[in-house]
Amino acid sequence: GAVVSQHPSWVICKSGTSVKIECRSLDFQATTMFWYRQFPKQSLMLMATSNEGSKATYEQGVEKDKFLINHASLTLSTLTVTSAHPEDSSFYICSARGRLAGGPGEQYFGPGTRLTVT
Amino acid sequence: GENVEQHPSTLSVQEGDSAVIKCTYSDSASNYFPWYKQELGKRPQLIIDIRSNVGEKKDQRIAVTLNKTAKHFSLHITETQPEDSAVYFCAANNDMRFGAGTRLTVKP
Repeated sequence: GAVVSQHPSWVICKSGTSVKIECRSLDFQATTMFWYRQFPKQSLMLMATSNEGSKATYEQGVEKDKFLINHASLTLSTLTVTSAHPEDSSFYICSARGRLAGGPGEQYFGPGTRLTVT
Repeated sequence: GENVEQHPSTLSVQEGDSAVIKCTYSDSASNYFPWYKQELGKRPQLIIDIRSNVGEKKDQRIAVTLNKTAKHFSLHITETQPEDSAVYFCAANNDMRFGAGTRLTVKP
């Protein structure tokens, strides 16, 4: 199957700083990328959906000015957590989907990034 | 957007028994229904999916059924094994919003 990488795999930062997480599709063109947040023993919460070259669509309750998403190319999307606070500590996972004729296609997940804000 | 509900939240079965997880969705226009398995500390992996033009799909011990009229779909795992223990998520359509997840435990 297709491969999606995510970097970094874990990061510790101080409160008030910003952190950038990269999501790359390694062997296919990702027309759409999704960003999720997952708390321990909970489901994947969709934060935003981004299509290459256009602004991300954020889910209700997700602050777009705090979680900046850029999908500048068909293989790269970035999530920047600005002015991070301890409550932003979580597991962030991206997924990517290519174009499939006739309907929606499978999405492939990155390995996730564990963010800890101290 | 699509609203997906998943039941049960936890499921414990004996090895060899069958397990069934159900999801309901709200948008009648949804036409793609994947199931993902997430093992502890790992990324979700697609295990099976179904499109709205079929009512059932099977892959070895795993099957998915879809009832478009009732707007629900189910994951069936037969002859469960300990390695089936994981959290399973359903989703509906392009929105890719997931259900709350089902923690399946298969006891040896």
